[in-house]
Amino acid sequence: AQSVTQLGSHVSVSEGALVLLRCNYSSSVPPYLFWYVQYPNQGLQLLLKYTTGATLVKGINGFEAEFKKSETSFHLTKPSAHMSDAAEYFCAVSGSGGYQKVTFGIGTKLQVIP
Amino acid sequence: GAGVSQSPSNKVTEKGKDVELRCDPISGHTALYWYRQSLGQGLEFLIYFQGNSAPDKSGLPSDRFSAERTGGSVSTLTIQRTQQEDSAVYLCASSLEWRGVRETQYFGPGTRLLVL
Repeated sequence: AQSVTQLGSHVSVSEGALVLLRCNYSSSVPPYLFWYVQYPNQGLQLLLKYTTGATLVKGINGFEAEFKKSETSFHLTKPSAHMSDAAEYFCAVSGSGGYQKVTFGIGTKLQVIP
Repeated sequence: GAGVSQSPSNKVTEKGKDVELRCDPISGHTALYWYRQSLGQGLEFLIYFQGNSAPDKSGLPSDRFSAERTGGSVSTLTIQRTQQEDSAVYLCASSLEWRGVRETQYFGPGTRLLVL
């Protein structure tokens, strides 16, 4: 079984400031990890994913995340926030190997202050 | 190419009525997923289709919920005797390979269901 905890349902940052969205996971098998973004009235869009290999994963729109097994974390970062980054972000986990259900966190709404 | 489409985009219904939600996946995607997104609850997995069969129905919350997929393409999620707690956004996603979550899931815009 897997689970995801996203710390902070709402995060506010100033435009140009560092974005840090926290995600911790629990998994009984080696995990696959994902970050999705949801803009208002739209579906979810994949930002990045970790499956195997390099633990620092780069995604779209300048976002990146690092898989830290020792900390069971997969935090999402971006060096400089843009107004267009305002959205809801979901961390998700699944097990590796064959079909594995994806379990999503409750989401973090990011507000970017001009 | 076209993405995942869902209809209707919004649905308001009265408690006790049946509703049907439709999902058109990306052409050629063999895997299809239904999720429910409730306020403050994140995404809740409902059901997974591989082709026309549903090897994982474990997320359907009650026997009022059912889904089918025909021709390996369009899927319909049916909620019978709707209750107010069914109010949510219902999201559909599809992916290219039967290997499931190894492949990126592409999401539709969702159907917002409000049960009065």
